[in-house]
Amino acid sequence: EPEVTQTPSHQVTQMGQEVILRCVPISNHLYFYWYRQILGQKVEFLVSFYNNEISEKSEIFDDQFSVERPDGSNFTLKIRSTKLEDSAMYFCASSGAGGDYEQYFGPGTRLTVT
Amino acid sequence: GEDVEQSLFLSVREGDSSVINCTYTDSSSTYLYWYKQEPGAGLQLLTYIFSNMDMKQDQRLTVLLNKKDKHLSLRIADTQTGDSAIYFCAESIVGNNDMRFGAGTRLTVKP
Repeated sequence: EPEVTQTPSHQVTQMGQEVILRCVPISNHLYFYWYRQILGQKVEFLVSFYNNEISEKSEIFDDQFSVERPDGSNFTLKIRSTKLEDSAMYFCASSGAGGDYEQYFGPGTRLTVT
Repeated sequence: GEDVEQSLFLSVREGDSSVINCTYTDSSSTYLYWYKQEPGAGLQLLTYIFSNMDMKQDQRLTVLLNKKDKHLSLRIADTQTGDSAIYFCAESIVGNNDMRFGAGTRLTVKP
């Protein structure tokens, strides 16, 4: 069964460093998403991406964040200058043509900022 | 309320039914979802229901939707120890790409 994959599974970085989290969505999906879950808190929407541009973003997704689909398979989330409060589990998701349902999630990348 | 709300904990005995409840925020929400999160793993889509449905059944899972009360429930029949996980309720609206999640209900199944 096709699945969303994410790398790395765990990333440790120092405050102020840039990180790139990588995702490979399901191959025929058209909509891509990033969510985060701070330990012990809710899953929060960050951004959605369609047709090579951001279609929606939350207030969490400020200028420190960017997303890119550099080729036909990868979808990345970049955090320019990490802060301690960026420590969280980051989930990538993708969905098919409908865009609004059946979002399939990856296993997540645990980001620890020290 | 402003949030998707769920009770945080539920404990059942193996073989019993589990019912996990959720209240959502927006009466125009079109899709309502249940995701399962096992320790160290991602979110696994269990089932979803379209808002014009009252009920959806899929093997051991039954989803009930009460639109008037904005109440969604997930019933797991014959609960097994492998069902122990955190279950997230989520909502989305057509034309709006974000999903809003509840805090998750930690289901513990005792032998």
